[in-house]
Amino acid sequence: DTAVSQTPKYLVTQMGNDKSIKCEQNLGHDTMYWYKQDSKKFLKIMFSYNNKELIINETVPNRFSPKSPDKAHLNLHINSLELGDSAVYFCASSQESRNSPLHFGNGTRLTVT
Amino acid sequence: EDQVTQSPEALRLQEGESSSLNCSYTVSGLRGLFWYRQDPGKGPEFLFTLYSAGEEKEKERLKATLTKKESFLHITAPKPEDSATYLCAVQAYNYGQNFVFGPGTRLSVLP
Repeated sequence: DTAVSQTPKYLVTQMGNDKSIKCEQNLGHDTMYWYKQDSKKFLKIMFSYNNKELIINETVPNRFSPKSPDKAHLNLHINSLELGDSAVYFCASSQESRNSPLHFGNGTRLTVT
Repeated sequence: EDQVTQSPEALRLQEGESSSLNCSYTVSGLRGLFWYRQDPGKGPEFLFTLYSAGEEKEKERLKATLTKKESFLHITAPKPEDSATYLCAVQAYNYGQNFVFGPGTRLSVLP
């Protein structure tokens, strides 16, 4: 069973469109994240979310919004897509404790044309 | 400002040629340092967590060590299947649940 799964794996769309990426984890973790990996392979936090709190990286445009229907899901909605949004987006989860590493999905490669 | 750097950016080794990757960090109040391996088209895969200076962890041909300023990932007698990008990340008390990643070292092991 895949621990953290995200769909779709590839997403090609035009500028100005609105799109969503879905993420589900079956690890029972209480915290989920979205990371963006740019062309230089740098992983940067976009959001972290648990039952209590949404923490947003202040550099993330408000066109990006996470939505969590329940503890096992954290979807990413992107409005008015721009060329610069092209990247690989990773969902991850962890348990809020000192000992818990991040567990990642396999990424969604977003290409905006 | 808290930051994580890794060196070298890329490393090519012959099979069996041991080497080390470096991760340097400047954070206030280290909560943990994590090593990940990332294969092309995949998400990062967890390898090790280190919490305090002097700690070491081993797994097969990999050994991670930690000092107050840096961590090393030692690769002993590497094989071609060890080729990947190796990422380190730190979690600090003032980040809450956030993990800050370094830029990675791209390792190629040639047969």
